[in-house]
Amino acid sequence: KAGVTQTPRYLIKTRGQQVTLSCSPISGHRSVSWYQQTPGQGLQFLFEYFSETQRNKGNFPGRFSGRQFSNSRSEMNVSTLELGDSALYLCASSFTGFGAQETQYFGPGTRLLVL
Amino acid sequence: AQSVTQLDSQVPVFEEAPVELRCNYSSSVSVYLFWYVQYPNQGLQLLLKYLSGSTLVKGINGFEAEFNKSQTSFHLRKPSVHISDTAEYFCAVSVDSGYSTLTFGKGTMLLVSP
Repeated sequence: KAGVTQTPRYLIKTRGQQVTLSCSPISGHRSVSWYQQTPGQGLQFLFEYFSETQRNKGNFPGRFSGRQFSNSRSEMNVSTLELGDSALYLCASSFTGFGAQETQYFGPGTRLLVL
Repeated sequence: AQSVTQLDSQVPVFEEAPVELRCNYSSSVSVYLFWYVQYPNQGLQLLLKYLSGSTLVKGINGFEAEFNKSQTSFHLRKPSVHISDTAEYFCAVSVDSGYSTLTFGKGTMLLVSP
C-alpha cells in the first residue's frame, strides 16, 4: 500500500507570491491534516479536512488555506508569502481523523523556502 | 490546553550504549501519547503509542516507552543504540476531545557516534 505522498518536495518562492502544495493520502484514508515545521516553533497544526470539509483549524492567519477533493487528496495554499513561512510542510492522513486513538501517517513533506 | 516538553534538544551517545529521551506533558484531560521519529529529509514515522492498559509500551526498532501518570511523563528508551538510530525524535499528545490532532514537543536530536 502506497504511503502519503506530497508534491512538490522542494519549492522556492519570493515574498508576496502565493504557493499551492499537494497531498495524496493513503488509499482509504479520508482525513488529511497539515502541519508546519520550523526550527523555532517546531511542529504546529494548521488544519484538518474530512469529506471535503475543514473540521479543525490551528492558530494560523487567513493567508493559510486548504481544500480537499472528493478523492480525499488535499491542497494547501499560502498567499502573500512572508519570509517566516519558510518551513517544512507535512501532511498526515488517517481513516477518519476522529478519536485520539487513531494513528496519523505522515508524508515526506514539502520544503518551502521564501526569499 | 495541552503541552509537551522534551527536556533535551540534543542527546549524544555512543553506539551500543543505552539511551533515554525524556518527555513530559501537561493536560487537564486524559491524553494519548505518541513518539515519532524523523530521519533526515523524511516525514515522521510512528515509533510507538500509549492509549491505555500496560504503562510499558513496546515499539519498532527496539524502542520502548513508559507512561507515568503521576509524573506526567512518557520517556523513550532503547537498551542499545545503533548508528542508524541517529534522527530527531518527537513526543506528541492527543487529547480525548474528538479529533486526533497532535500537539508536539520541540524534538530531541539523537546523535549516535561509533
